[in-house]
Amino acid sequence: GAVVSQHPSWVICKSGTSVKIECRSLDFQATTMFWYRQFPKQSLMLMATSNEGSKATYEQGVEKDKFLINHASLTLSTLTVTSAHPEDSSFYICSAKQGSSYEQYFGPGTRLTVT
Amino acid sequence: GNSVTQMEGPVTLSEEAFLTINCTYTATGYPSLFWYVQYPGEGLQLLLKATKADDKGSNKGFEATYRKETTSFHLEKGSVQVSDSAVYFCALSDNFNKFYFGSGTKLNVKP
Repeated sequence: GAVVSQHPSWVICKSGTSVKIECRSLDFQATTMFWYRQFPKQSLMLMATSNEGSKATYEQGVEKDKFLINHASLTLSTLTVTSAHPEDSSFYICSAKQGSSYEQYFGPGTRLTVT
Repeated sequence: GNSVTQMEGPVTLSEEAFLTINCTYTATGYPSLFWYVQYPGEGLQLLLKATKADDKGSNKGFEATYRKETTSFHLEKGSVQVSDSAVYFCALSDNFNKFYFGSGTKLNVKP
């Protein structure tokens, strides 16, 4: 089946610094990628949707200047958390799909801890 | 708006027991419904889906029926195995471009 990887799987950074998370589709071309945030015992919250070569569409309440999303190629999307604060600590998950298909493939997630 | 509510876990069962995980939804249109499974250390995987009322999705012994009258999509399996231990997420989407997830239900199956 289709595989999506995320890197790093776990990152610790200091408050005020920026951190980049990569999401790659390894064996298919991802025309659309989604970024989710998951809090403990809570559902996945969609942060933004990105289409290759276009600006990301952010969900209401998500600061686009803080969570920078780039989908520069059909196999790579990045999420950069700028000027991170402890409240940004969370589990970030990406998923990817092709065209209008319902099937999205999930990465294993990245645990971000901001100290 | 759209939302999904599923039963809180964890659910602990003995091997070969019957499983039900409840899921209800609220939607403005006629969404497609999904169950995803997340095994430890892995990403979510699609388990089954149903795209219209009365459809039954099935996979790996799991089943769920799209009940429009009760706005439900409960997940069932007749005989669980230890290998079914995972977190299960119910989700809906009305256009395959935005998905709404429940909070997940952790299933522990004991030998």
